[in-house]
Amino acid sequence: SAVISQKPSRDICQRGTSLTIQCQVDSQVTMMFWYRQQPGQSLTLIATANQGSEATYESGFVIDKFPISRPNLTFSTLTVSNMSPEDSSIYLCSVKRVASYNEQFFGPGTRLTVL
Amino acid sequence: AQSVTQPDIHITVSEGASLELRCNYSYGATPYLFWYVQSPGQGLQLLLKYFSGDTLVQGIKGFEAEFKRSQSSFNLRKPSVHWSDAAEYFCAVGASSSNTGKLIFGQGTTLQVKP
Repeated sequence: SAVISQKPSRDICQRGTSLTIQCQVDSQVTMMFWYRQQPGQSLTLIATANQGSEATYESGFVIDKFPISRPNLTFSTLTVSNMSPEDSSIYLCSVKRVASYNEQFFGPGTRLTVL
Repeated sequence: AQSVTQPDIHITVSEGASLELRCNYSYGATPYLFWYVQSPGQGLQLLLKYFSGDTLVQGIKGFEAEFKRSQSSFNLRKPSVHWSDAAEYFCAVGASSSNTGKLIFGQGTTLQVKP
């Protein structure tokens, strides 16, 4: 497994502002992912964070709204930009190791409320 | 396209009773299959996984799941439920033929345990 931490654990933000969420893992991993979990819903993949290059976004998610960085193999950030109440969700990062058959380990999540 | 269906949105069982949570998937080849559990306010914890071989897999916390190719199912079972098992359960499928590492999640099943 992997030990994953996220900061902040929760936040309440005003409409129109931005929030950056950090994800730190205790060892080097090959892939890092960011998910959104809207209230009462399942997880939706936002993007794959690529080390040293631009993230790969899923359909419906764009870099201007959700810029992602991954400067090294153990750290990534997700920014939620120009927030609206519809962005209120739990944001989770996950990691995958080499040759782990897509097995992912998840951080504790960041609970975001936008007023 | 891959998809995962969890037919039961909400299940209530009595403590000590047996449990079965259903999961059906759609995928053209042999998938990688996972069950995760999410306790209130927490991230996701991996319960068990299936990659190949024995179709009955054992996981943590006394859970097991059976892969049935003919039914495209991967149902989760536990012989005797404990009050601490109350949580949200997610089934997920990963592509065995892809190195993207992506997982597709079902909608989740909320388990309530009666005393």
